[in-house]
Amino acid sequence: DGGITQSPKYLFRKEGQNVTLSCEQNLNHDAMYWYRQDPGQGLRLIYYSQIVNDFQKGDIAEGYSVSREKKESFPLTVTSAQKNPTAFYLCASRKGEGEKLFFGSGTQLSVL
Amino acid sequence: QKEVEQDPGPLSVPEGAIVSLNCTYSNSAFQYFMWYRQYSRKGPELLMYTYSSGNKEDGRFTAQVDKSSKYISLFIRDSQPSDSATYLCAMSAYGKLIFGQGTELSVKP
Repeated sequence: DGGITQSPKYLFRKEGQNVTLSCEQNLNHDAMYWYRQDPGQGLRLIYYSQIVNDFQKGDIAEGYSVSREKKESFPLTVTSAQKNPTAFYLCASRKGEGEKLFFGSGTQLSVL
Repeated sequence: QKEVEQDPGPLSVPEGAIVSLNCTYSNSAFQYFMWYRQYSRKGPELLMYTYSSGNKEDGRFTAQVDKSSKYISLFIRDSQPSDSATYLCAMSAYGKLIFGQGTELSVKP
Protein backbone atom coordinates (compact mmCIF):
# COMPACT_ATOMS: atom_id res chain seq x y z
CA ASP A 1 0.00 0.00 0.00
CA GLY A 2 1.22 3.48 -0.83
CA GLY A 3 1.37 6.02 1.91
CA ILE A 4 3.36 7.99 4.43
CA THR A 5 4.88 6.30 7.44
CA GLN A 6 5.87 8.23 10.51
CA SER A 7 7.79 6.67 13.38
CA PRO A 8 7.79 6.35 16.25
CA LYS A 9 4.19 6.98 17.25
CA TYR A 10 5.29 8.21 20.70
CA LEU A 11 8.68 9.67 21.60
CA PHE A 12 10.15 10.98 24.82
CA ARG A 13 13.00 13.44 25.02
CA LYS A 14 15.26 14.18 27.94
CA GLU A 15 16.57 17.67 28.63
CA GLY A 16 19.43 18.62 26.32
CA GLN A 17 18.84 15.68 24.01
CA ASN A 18 18.38 15.73 20.24
CA VAL A 19 15.72 13.41 18.83
CA THR A 20 14.88 12.50 15.25
CA LEU A 21 11.42 11.83 13.88
CA SER A 22 11.21 9.64 10.82
CA CYS A 23 9.00 10.25 7.77
CA GLU A 24 9.03 7.94 4.76
CA GLN A 25 6.74 7.99 1.71
CA ASN A 26 6.38 5.60 -1.22
CA LEU A 27 4.02 7.80 -3.22
CA ASN A 28 6.78 9.19 -5.45
CA HIS A 29 5.94 12.68 -4.20
CA ASP A 30 8.39 15.50 -4.76
CA ALA A 31 7.25 17.80 -1.94
CA MET A 32 7.37 16.95 1.75
CA TYR A 33 6.35 18.94 4.82
CA TRP A 34 6.69 18.94 8.61
CA TYR A 35 4.04 20.52 10.82
CA ARG A 36 3.75 20.96 14.55
CA GLN A 37 0.36 20.91 16.30
CA ASP A 38 -0.18 22.03 19.88
CA PRO A 39 -3.40 21.21 21.78
CA GLY A 40 -6.34 23.17 20.39
CA GLN A 41 -4.15 24.72 17.73
CA GLY A 42 -3.82 24.43 13.99
CA LEU A 43 -0.83 23.12 12.10
CA ARG A 44 2.26 25.30 12.04
CA LEU A 45 4.81 24.80 9.28
CA ILE A 46 8.32 23.88 10.44
CA TYR A 47 10.18 22.98 7.24
CA TYR A 48 9.29 21.95 3.71
CA SER A 49 11.12 20.50 0.77
CA GLN A 50 10.09 20.64 -2.87
CA ILE A 51 12.94 18.57 -4.25
CA VAL A 52 15.76 16.31 -3.10
CA ASN A 53 18.71 18.11 -1.48
CA ASP A 54 16.74 21.31 -1.03
CA PHE A 55 14.47 22.55 1.77
CA GLN A 56 13.07 25.81 3.11
CA LYS A 57 12.26 27.10 6.57
CA GLY A 58 8.65 27.41 7.54
CA ASP A 59 7.19 29.73 10.13
CA ILE A 60 8.69 28.03 13.23
CA ALA A 61 12.00 26.49 12.10
CA GLU A 62 14.10 27.57 15.10
CA GLY A 63 15.27 24.60 17.13
CA TYR A 64 14.62 22.11 14.32
CA SER A 65 16.67 20.71 11.47
CA VAL A 66 15.87 18.53 8.45
CA SER A 67 17.58 16.74 5.58
CA ARG A 68 16.33 15.53 2.20
CA GLU A 69 18.97 13.16 0.88
CA LYS A 70 16.42 10.84 -0.69
CA LYS A 71 13.10 11.55 -2.34
CA GLU A 72 11.34 9.10 -0.04
CA SER A 73 12.67 10.39 3.27
CA PHE A 74 12.43 13.68 5.17
CA PRO A 75 13.57 13.21 8.79
CA LEU A 76 13.07 15.97 11.35
CA THR A 77 15.52 16.50 14.21
CA VAL A 78 14.30 18.32 17.29
CA THR A 79 17.41 19.83 18.79
CA SER A 80 18.15 20.84 22.37
CA ALA A 81 17.68 24.45 21.24
CA GLN A 82 13.94 23.81 20.97
CA LYS A 83 12.88 24.66 24.52
CA ASN A 84 9.25 23.66 24.21
CA PRO A 85 9.19 20.56 22.00
CA THR A 86 6.13 18.83 23.44
CA ALA A 87 3.64 18.64 20.58
CA PHE A 88 2.07 16.42 17.93
CA TYR A 89 4.21 16.32 14.78
CA LEU A 90 2.72 15.62 11.37
CA CYS A 91 4.58 14.82 8.18
CA ALA A 92 2.90 15.29 4.80
CA SER A 93 3.70 14.99 1.13
CA ARG A 94 2.26 15.87 -2.25
CA LYS A 95 3.19 15.53 -5.89
CA GLY A 96 3.51 19.26 -6.43
CA GLU A 97 1.87 22.65 -6.24
CA GLY A 98 -1.90 22.39 -6.39
CA GLU A 99 -1.90 18.67 -5.66
CA LYS A 100 -3.56 16.91 -2.73
CA LEU A 101 -1.58 16.74 0.51
CA PHE A 102 -1.27 13.33 2.14
CA PHE A 103 -0.56 13.03 5.87
CA GLY A 104 1.19 10.50 8.03
CA SER A 105 -0.35 9.33 11.31
CA GLY A 106 1.78 11.63 13.45
CA THR A 107 4.32 11.43 16.26
CA GLN A 108 3.56 12.65 19.78
CA LEU A 109 6.74 14.04 21.35
CA SER A 110 6.90 14.62 25.09
CA VAL A 111 9.65 15.88 27.38
CA LEU A 112 10.67 13.78 30.37
CA GLN B 1 0.25 39.59 11.46
CA LYS B 2 -0.37 35.93 10.68
CA GLU B 3 -0.63 35.03 7.01
CA VAL B 4 -3.84 33.11 7.67
CA GLU B 5 -6.41 33.95 10.35
CA GLN B 6 -9.16 31.58 11.41
CA ASP B 7 -11.57 31.94 14.32
CA PRO B 8 -10.76 29.00 16.65
CA GLY B 9 -14.28 28.78 18.07
CA PRO B 10 -15.46 26.51 19.57
CA LEU B 11 -18.66 26.54 17.56
CA SER B 12 -21.70 24.59 18.74
CA VAL B 13 -24.79 24.14 16.56
CA PRO B 14 -27.90 21.94 16.60
CA GLU B 15 -28.24 19.10 14.15
CA GLY B 16 -29.57 20.27 10.79
CA ALA B 17 -28.13 23.79 11.08
CA ILE B 18 -26.12 25.51 8.36
CA VAL B 19 -22.54 26.03 9.48
CA SER B 20 -20.30 28.81 8.19
CA LEU B 21 -16.54 28.63 8.72
CA ASN B 22 -14.24 31.43 7.59
CA CYS B 23 -10.62 32.38 7.05
CA THR B 24 -8.91 35.56 5.99
CA TYR B 25 -5.41 35.84 4.56
CA SER B 26 -2.90 38.57 3.90
CA ASN B 27 -0.62 37.09 1.22
CA SER B 28 -2.05 37.79 -2.23
CA ALA B 29 0.34 35.18 -3.70
CA PHE B 30 -1.82 32.33 -2.39
CA GLN B 31 -3.30 30.52 -5.35
CA TYR B 32 -4.73 27.31 -3.95
CA PHE B 33 -7.27 27.08 -1.15
CA MET B 34 -8.26 24.01 0.80
CA TRP B 35 -10.45 22.92 3.68
CA TYR B 36 -9.46 19.99 5.86
CA ARG B 37 -11.28 18.14 8.60
CA GLN B 38 -9.38 16.69 11.54
CA TYR B 39 -10.49 14.32 14.23
CA SER B 40 -8.52 14.32 17.46
CA ARG B 41 -4.87 13.30 17.06
CA LYS B 42 -5.32 12.14 13.46
CA GLY B 43 -3.92 13.45 10.22
CA PRO B 44 -6.28 15.97 8.56
CA GLU B 45 -8.38 14.80 5.63
CA LEU B 46 -9.07 16.96 2.58
CA LEU B 47 -12.67 18.12 2.18
CA MET B 48 -12.56 20.76 -0.51
CA TYR B 49 -9.96 22.22 -2.84
CA THR B 50 -10.25 25.21 -5.15
CA TYR B 51 -7.99 27.65 -6.93
CA SER B 52 -10.34 30.27 -8.32
CA SER B 53 -12.71 32.83 -6.90
CA GLY B 54 -16.30 31.69 -6.67
CA ASN B 55 -18.17 28.73 -5.25
CA LYS B 56 -17.50 25.01 -5.41
CA GLU B 57 -20.05 22.52 -4.18
CA ASP B 58 -19.64 18.89 -3.11
CA GLY B 59 -22.64 17.30 -1.48
CA ARG B 60 -23.44 19.15 1.73
CA PHE B 61 -20.24 21.21 1.50
CA THR B 62 -19.71 24.48 -0.38
CA ALA B 63 -16.36 26.25 -0.54
CA GLN B 64 -16.32 29.93 -1.39
CA VAL B 65 -13.28 32.03 -2.32
CA ASP B 66 -13.16 35.81 -2.67
CA LYS B 67 -9.64 36.73 -3.75
CA SER B 68 -10.40 40.44 -3.90
CA SER B 69 -11.29 40.43 -0.19
CA LYS B 70 -8.76 37.69 0.70
CA TYR B 71 -11.53 35.70 2.34
CA ILE B 72 -12.56 32.07 2.09
CA SER B 73 -15.50 30.21 3.57
CA LEU B 74 -16.79 26.69 4.02
CA PHE B 75 -20.53 26.10 4.37
CA ILE B 76 -21.96 22.85 5.71
CA ARG B 77 -25.66 22.26 5.06
CA ASP B 78 -27.84 19.95 7.13
CA SER B 79 -25.06 19.47 9.68
CA GLN B 80 -24.80 16.06 11.37
CA PRO B 81 -23.26 14.98 14.69
CA SER B 82 -20.66 13.12 12.61
CA ASP B 83 -19.50 16.51 11.29
CA SER B 84 -18.18 17.31 14.78
CA ALA B 85 -14.45 17.85 14.28
CA THR B 86 -11.87 20.57 13.82
CA TYR B 87 -11.95 22.30 10.44
CA LEU B 88 -8.79 23.84 9.07
CA CYS B 89 -8.38 26.14 6.12
CA ALA B 90 -5.12 25.89 4.18
CA MET B 91 -3.48 27.93 1.46
CA SER B 92 -0.61 27.36 -0.88
CA ALA B 93 1.77 29.35 -3.04
CA TYR B 94 5.19 28.48 -4.51
CA GLY B 95 5.32 25.21 -2.62
CA LYS B 96 4.64 26.67 0.81
CA LEU B 97 1.42 25.34 2.31
CA ILE B 98 0.16 26.80 5.57
CA PHE B 99 -2.90 26.23 7.73
CA GLY B 100 -5.23 28.35 9.80
CA GLN B 101 -5.65 27.73 13.54
CA GLY B 102 -8.64 25.46 13.00
CA THR B 103 -12.24 25.88 14.16
CA GLU B 104 -13.61 23.27 16.56
CA LEU B 105 -17.18 22.39 15.56
CA SER B 106 -19.68 20.48 17.67
CA VAL B 107 -23.04 19.43 16.19
CA LYS B 108 -25.54 18.50 18.90
CA PRO B 109 -28.26 15.87 18.21
